[in-house]
Amino acid sequence: AQSVTQPDIHITVSEGASLELRCNYSYGATPYLFWYVQSPGQGLQLLLKYFSGDTLVQGIKGFEAEFKRSQSSFNLRKPSVHWSDAAEYFCAVGGAGGGADGLTFGKGTHLIIQP
Amino acid sequence: EADIYQTPRYLVIGTGKKITLECSQTMGHDKMYWYQQDPGMELHLIHYSYGVNSTEKGDLSSESTVSRIRTEHFPLTLESARPSHTSQYLCASSAHRWGFYEQYFGPGTRLTVT
Repeated sequence: AQSVTQPDIHITVSEGASLELRCNYSYGATPYLFWYVQSPGQGLQLLLKYFSGDTLVQGIKGFEAEFKRSQSSFNLRKPSVHWSDAAEYFCAVGGAGGGADGLTFGKGTHLIIQP
Repeated sequence: EADIYQTPRYLVIGTGKKITLECSQTMGHDKMYWYQQDPGMELHLIHYSYGVNSTEKGDLSSESTVSRIRTEHFPLTLESARPSHTSQYLCASSAHRWGFYEQYFGPGTRLTVT
């Protein structure tokens, strides 16, 4: 069965500092990987996705992620965070291997921005 | 980007009531999904649909039911609400019946059953 692990429940970063959120997945076939962001009381917004090709993918709001098959990881990065980046971040995996084509989500990482 | 609408955004209701959570999308997407998210937890798939007249149960067992009579509409119904149904319910859609595409989410309905 597919699974996603986000080892950091909370991360605190100073405004302007760099950010890396970790994500490890388990999936039997070629994974489709996603990062979503959720602000309080809101739905999920897609930040970026990886289906194939270049393992470094660019997303919205200055985020990027790197797919490393050997490490089963898909870490999210941003060179300089802004206070508006404070939110919950979810990594997800999906693909044609699953019957529902639904996504399997990690438990999320809560990002706190210090002034 | 898909436009997905969910109503109501917040609902507080008593035990035993019947409720329907509405979800509509305007992009003509074939696939639609319902996820359940408890506070501070990950999302779990409870229902999905490949298109009109298609409904399937997801990974997480749920007492709710869904219907798909029109492409753009995917309502979720609880015949008799219970406090254990208190959660956030998120609707999503993705393009095309076949293949795998990214999912776009609505704003969610936060349900509280007293």
